[in-house]
Amino acid sequence: QVQLQESGPGLVKPSETLSLTCIVSGGSIRSSSYYWGWLRQPPGKGLEWIGYISYSGYTRYNPSLKSRVTISLDTSKNQFSLILTSVTAADTAVYYCARATPYCSGGNCYSGSHWFDPWGQGTLVTVSS
Amino acid sequence: SYELTQPPSVSVSPGQTASITCSGDKLGKKYSSWYQQKPGQSPILVIYQDTKRPSGISERFSGSNSGNTATLTISGTQAMDEADYYCQAWDSSTGVFGSGTKVTVL
Repeated sequence: QVQLQESGPGLVKPSETLSLTCIVSGGSIRSSSYYWGWLRQPPGKGLEWIGYISYSGYTRYNPSLKSRVTISLDTSKNQFSLILTSVTAADTAVYYCARATPYCSGGNCYSGSHWFDPWGQGTLVTVSS
Repeated sequence: SYELTQPPSVSVSPGQTASITCSGDKLGKKYSSWYQQKPGQSPILVIYQDTKRPSGISERFSGSNSGNTATLTISGTQAMDEADYYCQAWDSSTGVFGSGTKVTVL
């Protein structure tokens, strides 16, 4: 069964760049059946979708973060990454990676139909000087 | 921007049925998912495509979606079901989560 594990620095300074990696085991990120997503949860608050990437490199981002976010694939290492630039204290959160499965019918898969399963264990990133 | 509204909390007695609502404009025309999150743990998927239950999820969990409201129902609620529950849907290919509902089993 597929498992996901986030890794990266736990502390980032304001105005700098947050960079996280999600290592996927038990399955290939090159599978055409799945997308790969990032989500986050500020301490004590709810969940927020950051974006996802398909096996072919198609990306979709949350409009509220779009100008600062990049998600990429590294198929040689079976992992995908998140880059968030110009961070502030508001970006302090537990960051999760997750596999995203789209609804498909008749050979067509529909954008914006995904569900997230499974999730990684999450990694806390604190933005502070 | 699109919003999903959930009640902050729901209380239920053991063995009874808990219903958690999620409201959004024309939500019934979109697919909804539900996630369970226990303290200090990652969310897990309990319902997708409105009514489908992933492998390994108890039959006590069921979902529906019509009009402007999606509902997660927990039948025969057990102490282990005490958690935060989040609904999720897509609007213009943007993922949106509800604010979450804390289910307390009294």
